[in-house]
Amino acid sequence: DTGVSQNPRHKITKRGQNVTFRCDPISEHNRLYWYRQTLGQGPEFLTYFQNEAQLEKSRLLSDRFSAERPKGSFSTLEIQRTEQGDSAMYLCASSRGLAGGQYGEQFFGPGTRLTVL
Amino acid sequence: AQSVTQLDSQVPVFEEAPVELRCNYSSSVSVYLFWYVQYPNQGLQLLLKYLSGSTLVKGINGFEAEFNKSQTSFHLRKPSVHISDTAEYFCAVTAYSGGYQKVTFGTGTKLQVIP
Repeated sequence: DTGVSQNPRHKITKRGQNVTFRCDPISEHNRLYWYRQTLGQGPEFLTYFQNEAQLEKSRLLSDRFSAERPKGSFSTLEIQRTEQGDSAMYLCASSRGLAGGQYGEQFFGPGTRLTVL
Repeated sequence: AQSVTQLDSQVPVFEEAPVELRCNYSSSVSVYLFWYVQYPNQGLQLLLKYLSGSTLVKGINGFEAEFNKSQTSFHLRKPSVHISDTAEYFCAVTAYSGGYQKVTFGTGTKLQVIP
């Protein structure tokens, strides 16, 4: 299976705890993206990496959120001191470079659903 | 800045009837356009994309969409829907700004196919 995978699929935690999610992109894709999706909304961009470099972060990504992609392969998204408002589906996607410096469509993982009690 | 508007939050339609899901966008730069489908508790799956060339694009599952630059629209259509098309559909735009890629999604349209 060469799709995008995410672990865990579900996470329930108490307010104030730290959580970490993992995303494994499609192996030949050098761009990796994180999105957050709340009920009734479309995915909202959080951040993305090109190889190991984090190129952009949304203002949605508060100081409690940190993302890494240390070896340019898998990525982790950590949320510290979780709040109830962090409850959402966290989606990961990856894409590959095309000719002319462009990038192809993003392939999405199944997501990690976070519930903060 | 770019934005995407999906005008209908829910669209009920009878099985085998045609359907159109509307999408309008705004952007100060050239954009690429996508439609994704999301089934319950799953990630997003690409239905179709417009990058350049013919403004009528065909995707999977019998869906097609037409890019209309003057009306800044990218409406999704299917001539005859099936029960299995019941899902949420998201329109998305990707634009290059400063050499980096930004993706903006609409709020989604829930398609409910009625037997």
